[in-house]
Amino acid sequence: TQLLEQSPQFLSIQEGENLTVYCNSSSVFSSLQWYRQEPGEGPVLLVTVVTGGEVKKLKRLTFQFGDARKDSSLHITAAQPGDTGLYLCAGARGQNFVFGPGTRLSVLP
Amino acid sequence: NAGVTQTPKFQVLKTGQSMTLQCAQDMNHEYMSWYRQDPGMGLRLIHYSVGAGITDQGEVPNGYNVSRSTTEDFPLRLLSAAPSQTSVYFCASSLGLAGSHQYFGPGTRLLVL
Repeated sequence: TQLLEQSPQFLSIQEGENLTVYCNSSSVFSSLQWYRQEPGEGPVLLVTVVTGGEVKKLKRLTFQFGDARKDSSLHITAAQPGDTGLYLCAGARGQNFVFGPGTRLSVLP
Repeated sequence: NAGVTQTPKFQVLKTGQSMTLQCAQDMNHEYMSWYRQDPGMGLRLIHYSVGAGITDQGEVPNGYNVSRSTTEDFPLRLLSAAPSQTSVYFCASSLGLAGSHQYFGPGTRLLVL
């Protein structure tokens, strides 16, 4: 059983479409991070959210932390092929992070 | 800065062999960690260190040893490799603990036959 669940597991869309991926848990986290990982590389941090209800925008990416700090979402507007990758969420638990299994996104030109 | 570097990039081992995965960072980060990544499982923490001379176990530590003699280096040792240790291994470093920006290395792909 995963502490963090991510949905959908796979997503394939056309360039220009909007999408939202989700990260859910029954546990409360002090902070939550989103990473993007490209094939053959390590994850790269996109954002850290700390406050319940917090919304952060990074160009076409919008991140939201749930009010109860148990869930988060990532919304991409007008997806581009360069957005293709594995999106991982990670919740802070004690001294460390717990990672979700990821959403694999493919944006077709 | 090179960031976080890992060697080797690829390795094939036979069951029972031992090896050391190397990890180094040049950002003067106190916190370093090792993860393994398996399909559908995300990243799972193996061991971590909050500073030179201090290490602790993560979620899946069995079969692995670590040491932290310097701030820069954090090697991961497989004492007797098993097929269940076939995975991609990532090293990460950060200035502080949970909540800090973790920087990941490029990974080591390990196949145990």
